[in-house]
Amino acid sequence: SAVISQKPSRDICQRGTSLTIQCQVDSQVTMMFWYRQQPGQSLTLIATANQGSEATYESGFVIDKFPISRPNLTFSTLTVSNMSPEDSSIYLCSVPHRLGYGYTFGSGTRLTVV
Amino acid sequence: AQSVTQLDSHVSVSEGTPVLLRCNYSSSYSPSLFWYVQHPNKGLQLLLKYTSAATLVKGINGFEAEFKKSETSFHLTKPSAHMSDAAEYFCVVSDRFGNEKLTFGTGTRLTIIP
Repeated sequence: SAVISQKPSRDICQRGTSLTIQCQVDSQVTMMFWYRQQPGQSLTLIATANQGSEATYESGFVIDKFPISRPNLTFSTLTVSNMSPEDSSIYLCSVPHRLGYGYTFGSGTRLTVV
Repeated sequence: AQSVTQLDSHVSVSEGTPVLLRCNYSSSYSPSLFWYVQHPNKGLQLLLKYTSAATLVKGINGFEAEFKKSETSFHLTKPSAHMSDAAEYFCVVSDRFGNEKLTFGTGTRLTIIP
């Protein structure tokens, strides 16, 4: 399966600031996905990022709050903008397995906003 | 539209006894179904996947799941629980026809009693 390097692994941020999360994949992938896992909750898809096109956002998520970059087939960033304590969550990136066997997830970024 | 319902938010079993984690799905097309496990402060790990081959799917660590179309179910089982199985388990559905987004269930927390 693909290997994903996600960073930072955790951060504590002040409200009103922004944090950019990076995901680097060891192989080229067309689609990358960004998820949020709020404390004690399941994962919710934020957006799908395809290289060369605008990210597609799910209901309840907007580009101004969660801008995404996808400059090439192995890299993507998610920015959490103008943070509030409600943004405290684990953020994960994911890519389809190269052989079609499931999906691989990054180790996650645990964000705490104070 | 696709959705998945995990019928139990918390399951407790004694070490050495069988495990059953229940999942029902809804999908407009032939679905792909997955079970993922998340250990405390760890990333998501794929346990097994169903993609229209054999209806009984064997995964890692002795887990298996049976796809039952008539019951729209994909329950996860293990004959004998081990202490290391204590974790959060997520049932996940993906629409295989041009839509690779994953929809996660709300999760089942498995506790193993010594």
